[in-house]
Order: sequence, then C-alpha cells, then structure tokens
Amino acid sequence: GAVVSQHPSWVICKSGTSVKIECRSLDFQATTMFWYRQFPKQSLMLMATSNEGSKATYEQGVEKDKFLINHASLTLSTLTVTSAHPEDSSFYICSARLGVRDTQYFGPGTRLTVL
Amino acid sequence: AQKVTQAQTEISVVEKEDVTLDCVYETRDTTYYLFWYKQPPSGELVFLIRRNSFDEQNEISGRYSWNFQKSTSSFNFTITASQVVDSAVYFCALITQGGSEKLVFGKGTKLTVNP
Repeated sequence: GAVVSQHPSWVICKSGTSVKIECRSLDFQATTMFWYRQFPKQSLMLMATSNEGSKATYEQGVEKDKFLINHASLTLSTLTVTSAHPEDSSFYICSARLGVRDTQYFGPGTRLTVL
Repeated sequence: AQKVTQAQTEISVVEKEDVTLDCVYETRDTTYYLFWYKQPPSGELVFLIRRNSFDEQNEISGRYSWNFQKSTSSFNFTITASQVVDSAVYFCALITQGGSEKLVFGKGTKLTVNP
C-alpha cells in the first residue's frame, strides 16, 4: 500500500506556542489530504479537508484560525496549531488519497502534549 | 446521511479462537466503498481492505476474511485462529460517491487477544 509519513511523531510544547505538523505522501501524489484528531478511546474526528492549491475546508466547530492548514504541493500538507493550550493536547492523524474512489492512507500520527 | 455502526465496543478472546467483528452501514447512495482499518497500540491506522458496492464477493487474505452482504448492509470481518498481534482497535468506514466524499468511521471495536 501507499505510504504516508508524519513528522514529528510526538511533540511537547509550552502553552501559547505554535506547533507545526507535517504530512507527506511518499510514493503517490495526493490531491486530497485530511486532518483528524483522536481522543483516547474514541474514533477519529475529521478536522479539515485539504485540496492541493486551495484553501482547506474545515468541519463545523473547528477553528480555522487556530488550526492552520496548508497544502502547498501534491505530497505535503501541514497543520499548525497556533497558540496551543492544554486542551489542544491530542493525537493528530493525517491521511491522503489520490481521488474519491481511491483508498485513503493514514500517517502514523502525532501526539501533541501542551504543558 | 451515511452512518457506520460497530456495535461491539470491546471483545476479548483467547489465542487461536476465531472472532468476528460486526459492521453495519447506512447509505442511500448506490455507489459506495467500505473499508476496514486496524489501529494497533502504536496509533497508526493500517489499511486492511476496501470493497466497492458492486462487488459482493467475499474475500480471504490469510487468517482474515470479510463478508459483505448488501441485503443486510453489513461488512463483517473475521479473524481465524487469532494471535496476540491481532490485538488492536478495528475501524469500519464508509465513503459514498456523490455524498460528502468523506470517510465515515464507526466507533471502532477494541480486540484483545490473550495468550
């Protein structure tokens, strides 16, 4: 299957700082990338959908000014958590796919802890 | 609207037992795709299988098998002769063509295989 990488795999930061998470599709070009958040023992919650070269579409209740998404190329999307607070601590997972009919492949996730 | 129900929250079995994970889906679209993903304790979602709505053939891959039945809107997953390494959370997911074009996840089933 296709490979999606995510960096960093974990990060600890102080409250008020910004954190950038990178998501890369290593062996295919992803026209669409997705960002999810997962709380302990829960399913994945879609935060936003990102199409290359256009603005991300955010799900209801997700603050677009807090979670900045950039999808500058067909192989890279970034999520920046701005002015992070302890309640932003979570497991963030990205995924990528070529087209709607194609399988969505997931990155290994990034565990964010905000102190 | 699309919906995926995984009624079993947690299942615990002893190694070598067979186990079936249930998945029931709802959609009014005629073209859709069903998926199973495995999420081991490490957190990464691993793609297991994808099925489109026009292909009701059951599939077997090693110890894994899937039973897709449109008549009951089910896409069940069976692990034969379970092993400790099968311990993980398993997610069933659905995406429809013509709908929101986003993966809809079930809440997941946590499988624990005890030695």
